[in-house]
Amino acid sequence: DQQVKQNSPSLSVQEGRISILNCDYTNSMFDYFLWYKKYPAEGPTFLISISSIKDKNEDGRFTVFLNKSAKHLSLHIVPSQPGDSAVYFCAAKTNNDMRFGAGTRLTVKP
Amino acid sequence: DTEVTQTPKHLVMGMTNKKSLKCEQHMGHRAMYWYKQKAKKPPELMFVYSYEKLSINESVPSRFSPECPNSSLLNLHLHALQPEDSALYLCASSLETGTNTEAFFGQGTRLTVV
Repeated sequence: DQQVKQNSPSLSVQEGRISILNCDYTNSMFDYFLWYKKYPAEGPTFLISISSIKDKNEDGRFTVFLNKSAKHLSLHIVPSQPGDSAVYFCAAKTNNDMRFGAGTRLTVKP
Repeated sequence: DTEVTQTPKHLVMGMTNKKSLKCEQHMGHRAMYWYKQKAKKPPELMFVYSYEKLSINESVPSRFSPECPNSSLLNLHLHALQPEDSALYLCASSLETGTNTEAFFGQGTRLTVV
């Protein structure tokens, strides 16, 4: 049962433009949401998170938006840079249970 | 220090071998996790330890045996594995049982079962 879904396996954007990665979840018990960036054969690196009591969290070029009623969150990267190219995983937590989406491979073209 | 250290980085083992994966963190985190990741798939939760007690076991086969000897260490003992168990095994830790805390991951152990 896939509780966290990232329906776009890949995304390609031009350098300097905005990247928008989407994530949906089904379990209403999730109350903390995270985005991780991953390179092959490495562990995921934490990027940004948001609590369910908020609808937006911003950190530099990265902003996460949460629409709790739609059980949807998104990660905006602006401006996108070639170094942002990686696989991005959405994760959702309740207590110590953390589940991941399937990931979206972002390619930022120079 | 936000480091989670996993050893070894690579492991090749036969189906009759017994081996262990190790994970260590010194951030004072009280929740520690094991995940398994196959190629082009998301990390799949295997086990969660909270305050050194097993709190989640995702119906993992008994050939995988976790152990948390103290608050800084997490082991995964492997015995009689199958080739399909070959994967990247990831350890993570987070502050405690509260929900509003991020988890930090180690670099993983690339396991190959032959």
